[in-house]
Amino acid sequence: GAVVSQHPSRVICKSGTSVKIECRSLDFQATTMFWYRQFPKQSLMLMATSNEGSKATYEQGVEKDKFLINHASLTLSTLTVTSAHPEDSSFYICSARGPGLHEQYFGPGTRLTVT
Amino acid sequence: SQQGEEDPQALSIQEGENATMNCSYKTSINNLQWYRQNSGRGLVHLILIRSNEREKHSGRLRVTLDTSKKSSSLLITASRAADTASYFCATDRNQGGKLIFGQGTELSVKP
Repeated sequence: GAVVSQHPSRVICKSGTSVKIECRSLDFQATTMFWYRQFPKQSLMLMATSNEGSKATYEQGVEKDKFLINHASLTLSTLTVTSAHPEDSSFYICSARGPGLHEQYFGPGTRLTVT
Repeated sequence: SQQGEEDPQALSIQEGENATMNCSYKTSINNLQWYRQNSGRGLVHLILIRSNEREKHSGRLRVTLDTSKKSSSLLITASRAADTASYFCATDRNQGGKLIFGQGTELSVKP
């Protein structure tokens, strides 16, 4: 099956710094990638949709200047959390979808802790 | 809320028993998908049922969809301890692939 990787799997950073999370589709071309955030014991909340070569579409309430998304190639999307604060601590999960597919393939997630 | 509802929120059963989880949603959909998540891990796709389908099987999984009631159920038969995980339904409303996730059911299967 299709594989999506995320890097890093865990990151701890100080308040005020920026953190970049990578999402890669390893064996298929991902025309669309999605970024989700999940707080403990809660469901996934869609943050933004990223299409290769175009600007990301953010969900209502998600600050585009704080969560920078770049989808520069058909196999890589990055999420940068800028000026991170403790309330940004969460589990960030990406998913990828190939052309003509209904299924999304999820990465293993990145645990971000901001101290 | 953008999310649908799932019930129960938590379910604890013995190995060998069946587990049923329900999902309700609010708008018309293109398809509905069920995912599994082990603690602290990513999601694994289990099954997709299209809006024009009523029932689908995959191994020990059986999914039903009632579009008139805007609800779906996931049945896991002959459960195993390894089935312990959180299960989420997600609806695709044909908006460029965006999925809206339910709140999830935490299933615990005791050996």
